[in-house]
Amino acid sequence: ETGVTQSPTHLIKTRGQQVTLRCSSQSGHNTVSWYQQALGQGPQFIFQYYREEENGRGNFPPRFSGLQFPNYSSELNVNALELDDSALYLCASSIDTGELFFGEGSRLTVL
Amino acid sequence: KQEVTQIPAALSVPEGENLVLNCSFTDSAIYNLQWFRQDPGKGLTSLLLIQSSQREQTSGRLNASLDKSSGRSTLYIAASQPGDSATYLCAVDNFNKFYFGSGTKLNVKP
Repeated sequence: ETGVTQSPTHLIKTRGQQVTLRCSSQSGHNTVSWYQQALGQGPQFIFQYYREEENGRGNFPPRFSGLQFPNYSSELNVNALELDDSALYLCASSIDTGELFFGEGSRLTVL
Repeated sequence: KQEVTQIPAALSVPEGENLVLNCSFTDSAIYNLQWFRQDPGKGLTSLLLIQSSQREQTSGRLNASLDKSSGRSTLYIAASQPGDSATYLCAVDNFNKFYFGSGTKLNVKP
C-alpha cells in the first residue's frame, strides 16, 4: 500500500471529448508525476509538478495538461481525445530522494 | 534523448533458480535508477532505488547494481519463487524527466 490513490479506476470516453483524472499523493510528498502506459509497453513520462509548478515534461502535446494542489492532490486533463489516448494512466508521488511511489492507475478507453 | 532497453523481453525459469535481469541506458547523466515490478493491470511497485553515486542496493532476495559509465544496471533475484512472476521495469531519472524500459516479463514455474 503506497498511499497514492487514483480515480476513476476505469472510464470510457468518445473521440473529441475531454477527461480529467485525479490523484491523491502520499502525505508529505511534494512532487507528483504522470505517465501513460499503452498495453505491453513501459510507462511514458507526461509531466511532473513540484510545489504546484510544472518542472518537467515529456514528449506530449499541450492538450495534456495538469494541476497540483496544496493538499497533495493533482489532476491530469486531456482535451480533444484521440483513439491513441486509450491507455493506463499512472501517477506517482515522490520526495527528495526521487523514489517514485505509484497508484493503481486509471484505465481510459476512447471509442 | 535517453533510451532505456531491457533484455530479455521475457524469461521463464523453474522455481529456485537465480536469475539476472538487464537494463541499459544511453545517457549516463542520471539522478537515480529505480527497479519496479508490475502485476497485470496494476500499478508499479518500487523494489530498489539506486542513487547515481551508489553502486548497488539490496533488499531481501533482490540485489540491484548500477554502472553509470557503461550505462548498465542489473537486477539479481535469488532463489526465485512463483510469486515473483510479474513484469520487471527499470526507470532512469534524468533530472525531472523519467524514462522507462519496456520491461522483462518473468514467469517462475512451480
